[in-house]
Amino acid sequence: GDSVTQMEGPVTLSEEAFLTINCTYTATGYPSLFWYVQYPGEGLQLLLKATKADDKGSNKGFEATYRKETTSFHLEKGSVQVSDSAVYFCALTFPQGGSEKLVFGKGTKLTVNP
Amino acid sequence: DVKVTQSSRYLVKRTGEKVFLECVQDMDHENMFWYRQDPGLGLRLIYFSYDVKMKEKGDIPEGYSVSREKKERFSLILESASTNQTSMYLCASTQSGSPNTEAFFGQGTRLTVV
Repeated sequence: GDSVTQMEGPVTLSEEAFLTINCTYTATGYPSLFWYVQYPGEGLQLLLKATKADDKGSNKGFEATYRKETTSFHLEKGSVQVSDSAVYFCALTFPQGGSEKLVFGKGTKLTVNP
Repeated sequence: DVKVTQSSRYLVKRTGEKVFLECVQDMDHENMFWYRQDPGLGLRLIYFSYDVKMKEKGDIPEGYSVSREKKERFSLILESASTNQTSMYLCASTQSGSPNTEAFFGQGTRLTVV
């Protein structure tokens, strides 16, 4: 079945460090890909998305590129801040109408120290 | 401001009780989901619904049932609560059929079964 595998955490970085969180997927067809973020004590919210191969999603300094050849959607940020401390989830869905399951990775907890 | 609202943030129930978790969305979304979130296990899909009175089992439906009598409301039912159902429960909704579809999440219900 469809699945998402993301980098095991936790990840601890110093402020202004470079961040990469790896995400790969297994799917039949061409899903839409997402990164969601969960700040402490809150529900998940969309960080960025890409709907087709070679699309780049970006938001708040985060970027991820939909790579069909490597079935990957790695999250990157050039300079993290303390406020980026959160749990990050990679996800996919097939917007085909009818049954549209949302499939999530296990999440990666990021802690950024001052 | 779009919203997914879960009826309780915190809930404590006794073993064997019947528990209802309610979720309401105001975006006229077709799809609604119930997940549970546990440390190290990420988000696991319990049930989802793609239309009124329609439901599909997710990855871990055992011990749960759902009800969707109206488009905006999706209820999760624990028929006989057990301690291994202590968890954070998250409700989400999405618009059907759009590649840009974004999931909107409630704040979560932290359920403790004693």
